[in-house]
Amino acid sequence: ETGVTQSPTHLIKTRGQQVTLRCSSQSGHNTVSWYQQALGQGPQFIFQYYREEENGRGNFPPRFSGLQFPNYSSELNVNALELDDSALYLCASSLLRVNGNTIYFGEGSWLTVV
Amino acid sequence: GENVEQHPSTLSVQEGDSAVIKCTYSDSASNYFPWYKQELGKRPQLIIDIRSNVGEKKDQRIAVTLNKTAKHFSLHITETQPEDSAVYFCAASGGWMDSSYKLIFGSGTRLLVRP
Repeated sequence: ETGVTQSPTHLIKTRGQQVTLRCSSQSGHNTVSWYQQALGQGPQFIFQYYREEENGRGNFPPRFSGLQFPNYSSELNVNALELDDSALYLCASSLLRVNGNTIYFGEGSWLTVV
Repeated sequence: GENVEQHPSTLSVQEGDSAVIKCTYSDSASNYFPWYKQELGKRPQLIIDIRSNVGEKKDQRIAVTLNKTAKHFSLHITETQPEDSAVYFCAASGGWMDSSYKLIFGSGTRLLVRP
């Protein structure tokens, strides 16, 4: 096990709604990143938080937002859900390293937008 | 922009044969290259990784090679077994200009090991 836990594991939302996904990081890790994996594709970087501040963002619109808490747990919020937001959302925690973060994914949250 | 290309998209081998998956990356500053295995309906699992100061790394039946000059890296699986059947993803870290060191993933290779 990776020590990264996510909730909920599965959920269904209606287009236009808002969703919050949660992640509990591995103990001792100061960095959490979120990835979106659409069916049949590789994970796509959404953003990363380091010490409660966003320190990198992928090509996702502002309706994707996040938080990292002092205990290094994290939330991913998506507003105004669209059908294309249906995907597996993966959280990963790590120690930020200049020669690359070794990241281990949680089990993921399967989001279906109908 | 940053890009990782992965080939082949599908690979079918006989049990016991070797499998090779190749990736190329565009950002010459990338310095970390992990490989993930993803079984149906499950999360990607890290199986091996290599950093830019190493040319080759091996872990039992799995090995990864890196050619920084050519900007490509490969996954080698020897003595394949049916349980190796899965989708494999390569990835490259963002380079030193990117403070997040985010991972850029390839499009995946579906490996089928025939008994």
